[in-house]
Amino acid sequence: EDQVTQSPEALRLQEGESSSLNCSYTVSGLRGLFWYRQDPGKGPEFLFTLYSAGEEKEKERLKATLTKKESFLHITAPKPEDSATYLCAPKALGNYKLTFGKGTLLTVNP
Amino acid sequence: DTEVTQTPKHLVMGMTNKKSLKCEQHMGHRAMYWYKQKAKKPPELMFVYSYEKLSINESVPSRFSPECPNSSLLNLHLHALQPEDSALYLCASSQTNAYEQYFGPGTRLTVT
Repeated sequence: EDQVTQSPEALRLQEGESSSLNCSYTVSGLRGLFWYRQDPGKGPEFLFTLYSAGEEKEKERLKATLTKKESFLHITAPKPEDSATYLCAPKALGNYKLTFGKGTLLTVNP
Repeated sequence: DTEVTQTPKHLVMGMTNKKSLKCEQHMGHRAMYWYKQKAKKPPELMFVYSYEKLSINESVPSRFSPECPNSSLLNLHLHALQPEDSALYLCASSQTNAYEQYFGPGTRLTVT
């Protein structure tokens, strides 16, 4: 069975303090790994898709990387508006289902 | 444009009511999804439609009835719900089931 573990569960940073979020996964035949950002009471917002180990994607202050067992979301010089829950979701080949992790709640203080 | 729209934004219904949630996308996506999300939990998949046919029902109770009238629309019909069904209901779509899913803003459902 596919498994996903995100750590830490919660992370509090000062504005400008860079850090990384971790997503460890066990999936038979990875089709892709997706990162989403979710604000309270809203739908998840798509950020990145990573397809193969070694791949990296960047968007503003965020960079996502992928290995065969983990994905990292690096946040460089975060701002308060980066505060949100970040969800990762690997997807197996031939499977309709995204397996969401429980998420990391990021709070960036000014 | 990667917009998925959902109506209504909020819904309060009694346990004997019948109501419907609506979802629309105009991205030409052929896969559409319903998710349920409880507070501080990740989204849980309920149903998947692929090319307007129901592909997956994740053992959802029959008081939830999905419908896909055409490739742009997805409905979720609700009947005789329980208070524990109160949650944020999310619709999503993707090009096909192999690609990233784009989520709508959700409908906040409260069952009284």
